[in-house]
Parts: sequence; structure tokens; C-alpha cells
Amino acid sequence: EVQLAESGGALAQPGGSLKLACAASGFTFSNYAMNWVRQVPGKGLEWVSAISGSGGRGEGPFYADSVKGRFTISRDNFKNTLYLQMNSLRAEDTAVYYCAQVKGQSGYSQLPIDRWGRGTLVTVSS
Amino acid sequence: DIVMTQSPHSLALSLGERATINCKSSHSVIFGSNSYNYLAWYQQKPGQPPKLLLYWASTRESGVPDRFSGSGSGTDFTLTISSLQAEDVAVYYCQQYLLNPFTFGPGTKVEIK
Repeated sequence: EVQLAESGGALAQPGGSLKLACAASGFTFSNYAMNWVRQVPGKGLEWVSAISGSGGRGEGPFYADSVKGRFTISRDNFKNTLYLQMNSLRAEDTAVYYCAQVKGQSGYSQLPIDRWGRGTLVTVSS
Repeated sequence: DIVMTQSPHSLALSLGERATINCKSSHSVIFGSNSYNYLAWYQQKPGQPPKLLLYWASTRESGVPDRFSGSGSGTDFTLTISSLQAEDVAVYYCQQYLLNPFTFGPGTKVEIK
């Protein structure tokens, strides 16, 4: 069974940093592109970042304009874990962050998302 | 960036009625090499992560009831629920996955009247 389990969400101060992790299991993690998607409670979905899988010919990573230069996506295919390093946090980064797997193991990011974690809450406030 | 818009913002229908949700992209989401529309639809129920309903604009995900269908091409797309059921109460999002950033629409809330 595919499982995606996010961790690392916490209360952080404006200007601070957090690192989210997503432990993946039940599939060959390295083959799949992965995403981070966030959602302010009660609001819509915002795509944040994507990173290719091993067959993606090194495309990307990709970032939303709102996080470019502040957030870094990475993966450890030996640990089957996806990361999101978040620096220079702002109040508007407050959201539930979902780890999400694309459909299909080509490694490319240009695919729909068919697996989602339960999310981890990041709150940025002083 | 490709901007996704959806209409209506919300709709309330009676059980068994047809629900139609529109999604419009600011640029075509057709990939020239394969002519596929890089457009997906998701359903999100309260307290749950989103669920993939349709991709390539009209391909139904495994296990999704056939009352859900997708149509459209280029910049204009439609999600149709042919006969609304109580369990379809949710927010529905479209997303383009052709070009970075892979933007979502703002969502359409579907309720039972």
C-alpha cells in the first residue's frame, strides 16, 4: 500500500526556517516525480514545488513564484524521503503542506497527482 | 504563468441533478508533441486530502464512478456530475500540469440543496 507521511510542521517565527519531510513507502520512490502542495485552512490548493524522479532526465526542480528563492525541494532516494527546506518564512506561508506523488513512474513532473499524504501544518507567527 | 479560473464559485443542486463545473486556462494546455490536454480534476472532501478524479481532461481515474466525466480542450474544460449524489458534496479543483508552475483553479464548492 502506498503511504506518504509528512512531518516537520510546526510553529515558526517570521524570517525563520523549517524543514518538512515526507516518508514514502509501498512503491519504488526513486521512479516517481514528487510534489509539495499547500492549503491554507478553509482555502484553495496552491502548488508549491516539484522534483523529478530518476527517469526525468534531471528536469527541474520547479517552484511556485511565491516560494522561489526561499524554499528548496530535495529527495533522498535511499531513504525514500522527500524534503522541503523552507527559509525566510512569512505569515502567508502558513498552511497545511501536502506531499504528493504523480501518476506514472516515468520520472517526469508533467503528470497528474494521484497520491497524497495527510498533510502537516506549518504556522508562521510571532 | 498559466492562470486557472473556475466557475461557478459554488453551486447547490438537488440529489439526482446534473452538476457542471467550468475551468478555463489563460493559455492552452495542449502539449504539441502528443496533443494531450494536461488538465486534471480533483475532489476534496472536508478534512481529507484531494482525490484525483480525471486526468488528460477526460480520462477517469480507476474507481471513480462513471457519473463523473470531463470534456473540453485547449483552454476550456468542463467537469460534469451526471446525477448528483450525497457523497459528491465537496470542493472540486482543476489543475494544469503542462507548464511550471503547475497551477490549480480556485475551486468550486458543490452542495446539496
